Amino acid sequence: DQQVKQNSPSLSVQEGRISILNCDYTNSMFDYFLWYKKYPAEGPTFLISISSIKDKNEDGRFTVFLNKSAKHLSLHIVPSQPGDSAVYFCAASKGSRLTFGEGTQLTVNP
Amino acid sequence: GAGVSQTPSNKVTEKGKYVELRCDPISGHTALYWYRQSLGQGPEFLIYFQGTGAADDSGLPNDRFFAVRPEGSVSTLKIQRTERGDSAVYLCASSPGYNEQFFGPGTRLTVL
Repeated sequence: DQQVKQNSPSLSVQEGRISILNCDYTNSMFDYFLWYKKYPAEGPTFLISISSIKDKNEDGRFTVFLNKSAKHLSLHIVPSQPGDSAVYFCAASKGSRLTFGEGTQLTVNP
Repeated sequence: GAGVSQTPSNKVTEKGKYVELRCDPISGHTALYWYRQSLGQGPEFLIYFQGTGAADDSGLPNDRFFAVRPEGSVSTLKIQRTERGDSAVYLCASSPGYNEQFFGPGTRLTVL
């Protein structure tokens, strides 16, 4: 039972354009959502998070949107840069443990 | 400051052997987590420590897996009678008690 799903295994965008990564969840008890970025041979790096009481959180080039009625969140990166190329994981929590999606490989082309 | 460190970075063992994986969390972080990541998947929760005690070990797949954190800092994940299906990257994360968890680089375990 996959409670957090990232349906796009890969995404390719041009440098300077917007990258939109999507994530769906099924468990309405999740109360906190996070995005992590992962480079090869490294652990996931925390990027941005959002509480379930909000619908938007912004940090520089990164914005996370939460649509609780649709059980959907998205990460917007604008403008995208080649250094953003990595695997992006969304994660959800109720309590302390995180439940992760399968990840989306983002490639930003120069 | 220093992040989460994990040793060894790679471990190759034979089926049936015992292995220990070590995690050094960020200093002062009270919460420590172990996750396992298989190829093409996201990290999967194994166990969570608050201080010295295991607050949630519901993710451990079976009784061959065990973890300790005797002094509330360093943690060791122990796997007995390893099987080929145990091959994965084992990730450790620590947290100051808020929602964000900070991950180490992982230990890649290969069971031949």
